[in-house]
Amino acid sequence: QSVLTQPPSVSAAPGQKVTISCSGSNSNIENNYVSWYQQLPGTAPRLLIYDNSQRPSGIPDRFSGSKSGTSATLGITGLQTGDEADYYCATWDSGLSGYWVFGGGTKLTVL
Amino acid sequence: QVQLQESGPGLVKPSETLSLTCTVSGDSVSSGSYYWSWIRQPPGKGLEYIGYIYYTGKTNYNPSLKSRVTISMDTSKNKFSLRLSSVTAADTAVYFCARERGLFGIAVPGNNWFDPWGRGTLVTVSS
Repeated sequence: QSVLTQPPSVSAAPGQKVTISCSGSNSNIENNYVSWYQQLPGTAPRLLIYDNSQRPSGIPDRFSGSKSGTSATLGITGLQTGDEADYYCATWDSGLSGYWVFGGGTKLTVL
Repeated sequence: QVQLQESGPGLVKPSETLSLTCTVSGDSVSSGSYYWSWIRQPPGKGLEYIGYIYYTGKTNYNPSLKSRVTISMDTSKNKFSLRLSSVTAADTAVYFCARERGLFGIAVPGNNWFDPWGRGTLVTVSS
């Protein structure tokens, strides 16, 4: 059971838009920055979004991130078949011990 | 360009200690700007944070693994290492090392992200 809750799967057609939610609590998402990672099949995760909504260089503006309260959202527009991957949210949990927590991951299928 | 590479045995027996090393190129583990982290992923499952080490020797561990985990650093070889004791089949996973950084090169818990990641190495716990 992951500390952050993501939908197990989402799907949409090429060219369409999809959003992936990440739900947490005031000890993690609400008071810390969220990052998002894309994991293509058989590869290591890759940073997509940092500081809730910032894109690293090389990440297309089709990818966006936002945060409100205890939830964060990843948006992907203009879906491409190459976007089929697992997506993970992550943030710091400032509870008793302080440590990183991840969402359970969302499998994106581009139909 | 910063690159991280995991190495170590791919098979460990139950109750023994898993030992992995992450070799860093293109950056220095002695840099005060970053934390150096381990993350794992059981087959077909999600990501789990293991812990990090800072150049001062400061460490942080996932509470669920803390009693079994040790992360250390060898600045002379620009490497950092993971030891996980008393392993069971539940520790079978792909183990990734990653650099943890923050804005303006200042790593502050709560303000950071993981970039880049190593390719990962599969460790199987089996007799």
